[in-house]
Amino acid sequence: KQEVTQIPAALSVPEGENLVLNCSFTDSAIYNLQWFRQDPGKGLTSLLLIQSSQREQTSGRLNASLDKSSGRSTLYIAASQPGDSATYLCAVRTGNQFYFGTGTSLTVIP
Amino acid sequence: NAGVTQTPKFQVLKTGQSMTLQCAQDMNHNSMYWYRQDPGMGLRLIYYSASEGTTDKGEVPNGYNVSRLNKREFSLRLESAAPSQTSVYFCASSPFTSGNTIYFGEGSWLTVV
Repeated sequence: KQEVTQIPAALSVPEGENLVLNCSFTDSAIYNLQWFRQDPGKGLTSLLLIQSSQREQTSGRLNASLDKSSGRSTLYIAASQPGDSATYLCAVRTGNQFYFGTGTSLTVIP
Repeated sequence: NAGVTQTPKFQVLKTGQSMTLQCAQDMNHNSMYWYRQDPGMGLRLIYYSASEGTTDKGEVPNGYNVSRLNKREFSLRLESAAPSQTSVYFCASSPFTSGNTIYFGEGSWLTVV
């Protein structure tokens, strides 16, 4: 069974810092990996989708990398802002199922 | 753009009562999912439907039933609610092809007392 782990569980940084969130998975036979953002009391919003054949994806200040062979992904957030405060979840697609990590709760301090 | 719509958003049930969570998507997706989210546990799959007319158990199916009414709608039923089913429930949908993303509803907050 695929298991997805995210470290750290919580992270607090001052505004303007660059930061990295980590995601690891146990089964490398994935179709894709996604990073999501979840605000309190809300659903999940997709940030970046990386196909299994890709190494990275970028959107604005966000950059996600994928090393499928080692079962790892990172989400890099540049020049963090208070509006980036949220929980970030990664998910991998294996077959027709999606497996989620427990998330990293990010707080950006003004 | 409606996307994935869930109802109700909030519900309080007494132990032993039954209820149905409704979900509809307007993106013509083949696959639909029901997850529950609990603190420290992440999102856990309850049931999913790969295509219209099929349903399969996920990681935590006990105490739940589902119906894929048509391509648009996928409902989740609690036949006899228990306090352990207090959770946030998310419906999601995805195109069948493997490279695609998954889209979530806003969630349904259920409390069983």
